[in-house]
Amino acid sequence: EAEVAQSPRYKITEKSQAVAFWCDPISGHATLYWYRQILGQGPELLVQFQDESVVDDSQLPKDRFSAERLKGVDSTLKIQPAELGDSAMYLCASSLMGGSSYEQYFGPGTRLTVT
Amino acid sequence: AQKVTQAQTEISVVEKEDVTLDCVYETRDTTYYLFWYKQPPSGELVFLIRRNSFDEQNEISGRYSWNFQKSTSSFNFTITASQVVDSAVYFCALSELVRAQKLVFGQGTRLTINP
Repeated sequence: EAEVAQSPRYKITEKSQAVAFWCDPISGHATLYWYRQILGQGPELLVQFQDESVVDDSQLPKDRFSAERLKGVDSTLKIQPAELGDSAMYLCASSLMGGSSYEQYFGPGTRLTVT
Repeated sequence: AQKVTQAQTEISVVEKEDVTLDCVYETRDTTYYLFWYKQPPSGELVFLIRRNSFDEQNEISGRYSWNFQKSTSSFNFTITASQVVDSAVYFCALSELVRAQKLVFGQGTRLTINP
């Protein structure tokens, strides 16, 4: 069964350092999402891609976060510099197309700890 | 604005008991989708069900059932004859079809099934 792949699964970094997460969606899925899940809360959308284009990045802290999906397949989310408040689970999801009628499939996530 | 409220932060029951997880939502749209996801300790979100706003029929899938009531803006989830493997965090989510297609999650309910 096809899955969304994410790496690394765990990352510990010191504040002010740069950190990057990688996501490989299910083959053929045009839409890719990055979510942040703070402990004890539900996931919150950071950015949505349709192919290589950003559809929604209204909740992405653009002063320190960046995301790209250059060839419309895999994606990288970067934080520079990392802050203590960035400690969270970062989840990647993909769907066949954008829109509510298409199910989002989630990867296992990257748990980030900033010290 | 869209909002999802899961008032039950944690629920603990003994195996074989029935348990209901509550979900109340707010939206200005007449067309929307509601979802339930399961998040086991491993971290990935597992899709359970999607329901559109025009379909108020209750649904049953094995030991799982969902009760959608537009009149009270609720989409509750019941597990019958609970099992230890049902222990997880469960999230209810809303996606508006027109205004914003992103998933908005509730805070989650941590369900513990004790043997």
